Amino acid sequence: NAGVTQTPKFQVLKTGQSMTLQCAQDMNHEYMSWYRQDPGMGLRLIHYSVGAGITDQGEVPNGYNVSRSTTEDFPLRLLSAAPSQTSVYFCATRLATGINQPQHFGDGTRLSIL
Amino acid sequence: SQQGEEDPQALSIQEGENATMNCSYKTSINNLQWYRQNSGRGLVHLILIRSNEREKHSGRLRVTLDTSKKSSSLLITASRAADTASYFCATPTGNQFYFGTGTSLTVIP
Repeated sequence: NAGVTQTPKFQVLKTGQSMTLQCAQDMNHEYMSWYRQDPGMGLRLIHYSVGAGITDQGEVPNGYNVSRSTTEDFPLRLLSAAPSQTSVYFCATRLATGINQPQHFGDGTRLSIL
Repeated sequence: SQQGEEDPQALSIQEGENATMNCSYKTSINNLQWYRQNSGRGLVHLILIRSNEREKHSGRLRVTLDTSKKSSSLLITASRAADTASYFCATPTGNQFYFGTGTSLTVIP
């Protein structure tokens, strides 16, 4: 049982390049989300999904796209990377049934944009 | 931003001592959750306290919640070196989670 798997673990990009951060889960959780973690800022929600085919914006969605075609996968796309997107990105999942559910996190993708 | 704040930002204690960290949040809540993050890893859920609860225990953890003051505290008793980590509070609002800025705890052996 892998839980939440994020790939890659590290990535360096040049400004303007595009890339996709992958998130896969094997817990059959309906809810999946992406956060970015910056020093002194805590975690901020980028996008989330409550099920296949349904996505919505979080607190800081600009510059990022998501899609949810299956329950298991929730990729995050940077279409044109900017230095301000240098951060650590975390994917998290939880059961969607009710608000009193903990989130399960992957180990993150450390992204540097030059 | 609806982010909460943890206090203190950093805490250093000797092994065996108790560690207390506080969280303040801004909106009304259904529950408040505490998470731990070890260096280079993702967050791990520790404990959840509902808005109608005032105190909750789990092993060496004790969480209190004061909804009138919009604040919570996490107490770790008899700390161990393995407790060295960052600790975050989180408040779910609808489908969104809002995390505090974290307390970095160092337990010195």
